[in-house]
Amino acid sequence: DGGITQSPKYLFRKEGQNVTLSCEQNLNHDAMYWYRQDPGQGLRLIYYSQIVNDFQKGDIAEGYSVSREKKESFPLTVTSAQKNPTAFYLCASSIGDRDASEQFFGPGTRLTVL
Amino acid sequence: GQQVMQIPQYQHVQEGEDFTTYCNSSTTLSNIQWYKQRPGGHPVFLIQLVKSGEVKKQKRLTFQFGEAKKNSSLHITATQTTDVGTYFCAGPEIQGAQKLVFGQGTRLTINP
Repeated sequence: DGGITQSPKYLFRKEGQNVTLSCEQNLNHDAMYWYRQDPGQGLRLIYYSQIVNDFQKGDIAEGYSVSREKKESFPLTVTSAQKNPTAFYLCASSIGDRDASEQFFGPGTRLTVL
Repeated sequence: GQQVMQIPQYQHVQEGEDFTTYCNSSTTLSNIQWYKQRPGGHPVFLIQLVKSGEVKKQKRLTFQFGEAKKNSSLHITATQTTDVGTYFCAGPEIQGAQKLVFGQGTRLTINP
């Protein structure tokens, strides 16, 4: 069964702690993305990666970090420097071999900072 | 930078009424994509339009890409409660780029 998995579905964190969100895909896609969605808002791009061992900042990268050591995995770390981390985090992937191919989204992780 | 605007932000209709959302880009797009996000869910790809003036249909949904490739619309005929959700349009930041710029979305609610 191909797709994107994100874990955990819900995450609670104390202020000042770093937390890592998992994103795994078995679609053999080259490109992966992290978005943040706030209630009633659109999608804002945090980071994206077009190939293993390479990634670029999106529109709101401050306070976040990523790695892309494997094609299948693109974890996102929300650091204590992120001032307002409570949000819905969505991971996506796409084939990446042509002009902006369609993106497949994971189920998302809802992060709440207490 | 490139901006993608959607209107309206919210739309409430009676079941059976039609619904249309509009998407406008500040730059010419090589393609435009539409996604649907159900309440509490994640965005799901609906369709991609590539050609100037292109019209595609999926059952009760009709998608159009403008002649200038800067605007698009999604029209739903005779809405059903299963159509509830937020509809997003998105276009490549620049031609050849993988990065998409998403509109703010139109949230559709339906009175049964």
